[in-house]
Amino acid sequence: GESVGLHLPTLSVQEGDNSIINCAYSNSASDYFIWYKQESGKGPQFIIDIRSNMDKRQGQRVTVLLNKTVKHLSLQIAATQPGDSAVYFCAEGLTNAGKSTFGDGTTLTVKP
Amino acid sequence: DAGVIQSPRHEVTEMGQEVTLRCKPISGHNSLFWYRQTMMRGLELLIYFNNNVPIDDSGMPEDRFSAKMPNASFSTLKIQPSEPRDSAVYFCASSLAFYEQFFGPGTRLTVL
Repeated sequence: GESVGLHLPTLSVQEGDNSIINCAYSNSASDYFIWYKQESGKGPQFIIDIRSNMDKRQGQRVTVLLNKTVKHLSLQIAATQPGDSAVYFCAEGLTNAGKSTFGDGTTLTVKP
Repeated sequence: DAGVIQSPRHEVTEMGQEVTLRCKPISGHNSLFWYRQTMMRGLELLIYFNNNVPIDDSGMPEDRFSAKMPNASFSTLKIQPSEPRDSAVYFCASSLAFYEQFFGPGTRLTVL
């Protein structure tokens, strides 16, 4: 049938629970990966990045895991809060290419 | 720093009219990106500049779209003539050395 738009994956969690958002990337040569958060009516905002020579990186309440074997990236948010409700994008890039490629995004909804 | 500045924030125009979107990147950033976001296609990279030079314009949909960066502190994206299918939110982003991108608030374009 005719496409009516992107069907973004959605994740609904209870406030205080941990969230895990997944992303499959396409280019095995990508050497950096970034997670962005986009709140309604705003532009995407940087959360955390990871280089391809790492498999884990932690920030404040967030952890990114990289599995290069299966080209998979995940973002873990601890103690999810209502303010975490947003669309989350992963982006992959190759330093010499000069640009990042964004995934379709995942919508996170936090229930109070 | 005020961040990436885009103007106008909202634009409503009629089909066939010329539309010019403006962007002021963060001072000191050497890369500038123009994106388009729609429900149908998600976040699409249209064009990016490095040191004011267009590097990759493969995402520009057609000849009706053009972008310029006359200096390090200003860029424009022009659509002429505009069509209803150009309705979208257009984001400008800037970065230093291609990694983390800082997005502006976007311009919501409606072509009637």
